[in-house]
Amino acid sequence: AQKVTQAQTEISVVEKEDVTLDCVYETRDTTYYLFWYKQPPSGELVFLIRRNSFDEQNEISGRYSWNFQKSTSSFNFTITASQVVDSAVYFCALSVPSGSARQLTFGSGTQLTVLP
Amino acid sequence: NAGVTQTPKFQVLKTGQSMTLQCAQDMNHEYMSWYRQDPGMGLRLIHYSVGAGITDQGEVPNGYNVSRSTTEDFPLRLLSAAPSQTSVYFCASGPVEPQHFGDGTRLSIL
Repeated sequence: AQKVTQAQTEISVVEKEDVTLDCVYETRDTTYYLFWYKQPPSGELVFLIRRNSFDEQNEISGRYSWNFQKSTSSFNFTITASQVVDSAVYFCALSVPSGSARQLTFGSGTQLTVLP
Repeated sequence: NAGVTQTPKFQVLKTGQSMTLQCAQDMNHEYMSWYRQDPGMGLRLIHYSVGAGITDQGEVPNGYNVSRSTTEDFPLRLLSAAPSQTSVYFCASGPVEPQHFGDGTRLSIL
């Protein structure tokens, strides 16, 4: 069975601080995808990134960066110079093959609050 | 491009009532699914479909029915609403996995 653990339930930082959200996953599949989603207070789910299990290169997109380490089964997400608009719940998710499709297993989410 | 559209956005039901949550996507995705989101539990898969005429159960299917008569639509039916089904429901679609989510339906069962 697949499992995604986001041990940080809530994080609070002051604007302009850097913050890292942790994600640890478990799977026996060798081919899988990892995702991060943002859920702002308005409630919608915003797709941030999808990463293939064979691609361990770190990725940077503006103030966002992702560190994928297969050796520790982690896919951590860092926001540099955080802003109040980054306040949201962030979900990490794992996608593995299931029949003719792939199934997404979500972590329980990390509530990030950025204070002005 | 509307993406994934869910209706209604809010609904209040009485215990025992039935209703259908609508989901439509205009991206020609084969894969569609329904999730429920409860506080502290992330999103849990209810049912999913890999194409028209094909559906299967997810992690928490009890009390829900689905059908997929067209590629675009994937309605979720609550057969006899129970207070335990109070939740926020998300529909999602993608080529082979959920990538695009609707805005959610907030459902309260009294």
